[in-house]
Amino acid sequence: DGGITQSPKYLFRKEGQNVTLSCEQNLNHDAMYWYRQDPGQGLRLIYYSQIVNDFQKGDIAEGYSVSREKKESFPLTVTSAQKNPTAFYLCASSILIGTSNQPQHFGDGTRLSIL
Amino acid sequence: KNQVEQSPQSLIILEGKNCTLQCNYTVSPFSNLRWYKQDTGRGPVSLTIMTFSENTKSNGRYTATLDADTKQSSLHITASQLSDSASYICVVQGGRGTSYGKLTFGQGTILTVHP
Repeated sequence: DGGITQSPKYLFRKEGQNVTLSCEQNLNHDAMYWYRQDPGQGLRLIYYSQIVNDFQKGDIAEGYSVSREKKESFPLTVTSAQKNPTAFYLCASSILIGTSNQPQHFGDGTRLSIL
Repeated sequence: KNQVEQSPQSLIILEGKNCTLQCNYTVSPFSNLRWYKQDTGRGPVSLTIMTFSENTKSNGRYTATLDADTKQSSLHITASQLSDSASYICVVQGGRGTSYGKLTFGQGTILTVHP
């Protein structure tokens, strides 16, 4: 089945530690996205990528970094500079950015907590 | 500021009953409006996508309506089932211009269906 796989499902971070969240898709989508979801708030865009080796900051990129070395993979690193990292992180993909009538497909998320 | 506001924040209904969720938006220019269903601990799943020229779209027991003039949408759920218990998220995609392609997410309505 085609889809998006995020791992791990749960992740704990110690003070001063960088952690990396994995996102892999086999939908052959060009665009990939990372969102952060906090209780009672709408999803907020962290980073997005339209093509391999290219990515753009979203609305809340500070304290995060990404890479896009392969079309299928878009890992997110939560660095120690992100002072409030506890949240539910969602990865998504779509055919093209800005394409009307094409939904974003989401993974099942990674829940990150502070130890 | 482009915003998407959903109401109510939460709703409890009995199995078999109908319900309607509301979404008001200020995103302009507008490209399309989407409704997603998000089960607890899972990623959102697309229910409907409507462009400005569409005023109703159905997906099984889910019917979405759109009034682009008043910038309002609703999601009607018919004959609710226990599996409908979830968060329902309204998402608006911006049209050509500075917000082109950008998705603005509502905070979601949490629906609980009781037997």
